[in-house]
This record gives sequence, structure tokens and C-alpha cells, in this order.
Amino acid sequence: GAVVSQHPSRVICKSGTSVKIECRSLDFQATTMFWYRQFPKKSLMLMATSNEGSKATYEQGVEKDKFLINHASLTLSTLTVTSAHPEDSSFYICSAGQASSYNSPLHFGNGTRLTVT
Amino acid sequence: QKEVEQNSGPLSVPEGAIASLNCTYSDRVSQSFFWYRQYSGKSPELIMSIYSNGDKEDGRFTAQLNKASQYVSLLIRDSQPSDSATYLCAVSPSNTGKLIFGQGTTLQVKP
Repeated sequence: GAVVSQHPSRVICKSGTSVKIECRSLDFQATTMFWYRQFPKKSLMLMATSNEGSKATYEQGVEKDKFLINHASLTLSTLTVTSAHPEDSSFYICSAGQASSYNSPLHFGNGTRLTVT
Repeated sequence: QKEVEQNSGPLSVPEGAIASLNCTYSDRVSQSFFWYRQYSGKSPELIMSIYSNGDKEDGRFTAQLNKASQYVSLLIRDSQPSDSATYLCAVSPSNTGKLIFGQGTTLQVKP
């Protein structure tokens, strides 16, 4: 089955620093990947759609200059949380669907738990 | 109105019983519907997908879709304690590929 790998699984950083999270599709090509964040006991909130070779599409209310997304290849998307603050502490999860169909289910990475101190 | 709505629960059922999880959605043109299971601290894992009206069965799981009523449900037969988790309903607006999630229903299966 489709596998999505996310790294790191856990990161602690100091306020004001930047953190990069990688998302890779291991056995399929993903022209589109999606980044979600999840606060404790809350549902997944879509942050942005990462498009290979073009700019990401951000959901309303998500700061594109704070959450930088790069999708340079068909198997890799990165999310950089810039100038992180404690309120950015959350569970970040990437997902990807196989490129052949918009209706194919999304497969999720294992998530990155970010703690900003 | 939220795009995808679920009762947050918790829904508590005894071991061996049928658990029924419900979800409604607001976008009438939605094409694809999914149920994910999420254990605490883990990422969601896909359980079922359903695209057309009616029932779809996979092992102990049955997904039901009624597009006219904008309603999708998940039945879990012979519930096991290991089924205790949060179940997320997800809906894909037509041809976007992205998923919009409900808030999830917490299921507790008591031995």
C-alpha cells in the first residue's frame, strides 16, 4: 500500500527559531500533498495544499509567510515553521494521494509533534 | 454550519456490540467519503472509502452513504476493545483531492 514518511516525528525548539518538516511519498508519485495541523482533542485542520513545481495554496487564516511550503519533487514536500512561537506547538501531519485520481484516499505520514518553548 | 459534522461522543458500547458512527456534510456536490481511525498521539489511518449511495462492507466495517440526505455512517460489528479510538469522517469536495474532516467521534469499547 501507499506509504507516506514524515520526519522528524518529534521536535522541540526555542521560540524564534525555524523548524523544517519533511514529507515523502515512498512508493508513489504525489503531485499534490496536504498539510494539516491538529490541536489536542481537536480535528485535523487543513493548512495548505502543496503542489509540485508551483506555489502552495493556503487555507483561509493560514499565514503563508509563517508556514513556508516547498514541493520541489514528486516525492517530497517540506513545511517550514518560521519564527516559531509557543502557540505554534501542535501536531503537524502531511498526507498525499496517488496522482492518478482526485478521488483516491489520502495516506498520512506519522505526524510531527512540535513543541516550542 | 460546519462542513462536516460528527457527534464528538464519547460513544460507549460493550464488547461484541455494534457501534454506529454518524456524519453529515454540507457540500452537496461532494464526491468522495472516507472514514479514518486515529489512536491517541498517532496519525489517522484509513478504514473505509465510499463513493456511491448504499452500503459498502469490509470485514467488520460497513460504510453507508446517502447523498440525498448528505449523510454517511460507519457500523462496526462485534466491537473489540482495540476498536477504541477516535473515528474521523472526511469528505472530499469534488475534484479537489483535499479532505475536510469532522471533529471525530470517540468510541470506547468496554470489555
